[in-house]
Amino acid sequence: QVQLVQSGAEVKRPGASVKVSCKASGYTFSTYGITWVRQAPGQGLEWMGWVSAYNGNTNYAQNLQGRLSMTTDSSTSTAYVELRSLRSDDTAVYYCARRGGLDLDYWGQGTLVTVSS
Amino acid sequence: DIQMTQSPSSLSASVGDRVTITCRASQGIRNDLGWYQQKPGKAPKRLIYAASSLQSGVPSRFSGSGSGTEFTLTINSLQPEDFATYYCLQHNSYPWTFGQGTKVEIK
Repeated sequence: QVQLVQSGAEVKRPGASVKVSCKASGYTFSTYGITWVRQAPGQGLEWMGWVSAYNGNTNYAQNLQGRLSMTTDSSTSTAYVELRSLRSDDTAVYYCARRGGLDLDYWGQGTLVTVSS
Repeated sequence: DIQMTQSPSSLSASVGDRVTITCRASQGIRNDLGWYQQKPGKAPKRLIYAASSLQSGVPSRFSGSGSGTEFTLTINSLQPEDFATYYCLQHNSYPWTFGQGTKVEIK
C-alpha cells in the first residue's frame, strides 16, 4: 500500500533553515510528483509547490520563491523540502502529498515546524 | 492566480441531514477540482477527484458535481464521522489553490 512517512517535529530559531523529509513506499517513486502543503495553526491549507520525482522539475508558490527548495532522492524514494530564513509565520504543519496523475491522492502524516526565539 | 471562493465557512447540521458546500473559481478550471476532508490533527483525505469521481473507499453518500467555475460537494444523510472541515482544491493551473474551508459542526 502507498505510504508517505515524514520526519519528526522541528523547533527552529528565526533566520534558521529547516529540512523536512518524506519517505515514499508502495509505488514506483519516479512515476509521480510530490507536492508540499502547509497549514498554520487554526488556518487553512496552503499549496507550497511541487517537485517531479522523475526529473527534479519544480514549481513553487510565488510568496516562497527564493527561500524554498524541493528535491528528491530516487535511491531512497525520499522527497525533501527546505525552507530558509525562517520567520514566525512559517510555523505550521507541513504535509507532503503524492500527485497521483490528477491531484493529491496520498498524504504524509504531517510535520510540525515551530519557529520561535 | 485562480481564486477559489468556498461557502459557507461553517455550518451546523444534524445527523441525517443533507449538506451542500460550494466552491467558485475565479476563472474556468474545467473539472480540475478535488474535495478533501480533514479531521483535527490529521492529514487531509481525498473524497472526490475530477469534480465528480468518488475516491475508492469513500462512502457513496458523498458526491461532487460541477464544471467550469461552480462546484458542489454534497453529503447525503450526514453521519457522526462526517463532522470535519472540507476543502476544495483546483489543480488546473499553477499555483494550485485551496478554498478557505468549510467546518461542518454538530447542531
